Amino acid sequence: KQEVTQIPAALSVPEGENLVLNCSFTDSAIYNLQWFRQDPGKGLTSLLLIQSSQREQTSGRLNASLDKSSGRSTLYIAASQPGDSATYLCAVRNNAGNMLTFGGGTRLMVKP
Amino acid sequence: GAVVSQHPSRVICKSGTSVKIECRSLDFQATTMFWYRQFPKQSLMLMATSNEGSKATYEQGVEKDKFLINHASLTLSTLTVTSAHPEDSSFYICSARDPGVGNTEAFFGQGTRLTVV
Repeated sequence: KQEVTQIPAALSVPEGENLVLNCSFTDSAIYNLQWFRQDPGKGLTSLLLIQSSQREQTSGRLNASLDKSSGRSTLYIAASQPGDSATYLCAVRNNAGNMLTFGGGTRLMVKP
Repeated sequence: GAVVSQHPSRVICKSGTSVKIECRSLDFQATTMFWYRQFPKQSLMLMATSNEGSKATYEQGVEKDKFLINHASLTLSTLTVTSAHPEDSSFYICSARDPGVGNTEAFFGQGTRLTVV
């Protein structure tokens, strides 16, 4: 059974810092990995999708990497802003099915 | 990206009543939709996979008679919480994929906050 873990569970940084969020998964037979943002009481916004054959994806100040063999992904946020404050979730889709398995999330607070 | 709309966004109901939540894919057809549940400060847990024209597939521990899922069309899936109790209070989110873009990226609805009093 796939298990997804995110570290740290919470993070507070001053505005402008570059930061890294970590995601690890136990079963490397994945189809893809997706990073989401969730604001309090809201749904999920897809940030980046990395296919199993890819090493990284970039969108603006966000960069996600994937090391499938070691079961790890990182989300790098450059020059953080208070508007980046949210919970960041990583989710893995296994080869065997369509469902996503989510990590516990990292609650990020960027202070002005 | 593709748009998934969920309604209502918030609902308060009395214990013992039933509540229906709708999930619509607005600009694509989704043969499969997914229903997740999220407790406060916890991550999303898959409840069931909704298949158009056939029975839903429920995850272990999810009561199919309590959480009724209907996927009658390619753009609409509904989740009905029957005989709701306070412990059913949670955040429910649906998801779908757009098969037109390689069936890869998952898109989520806005979520429904259910409070049972």
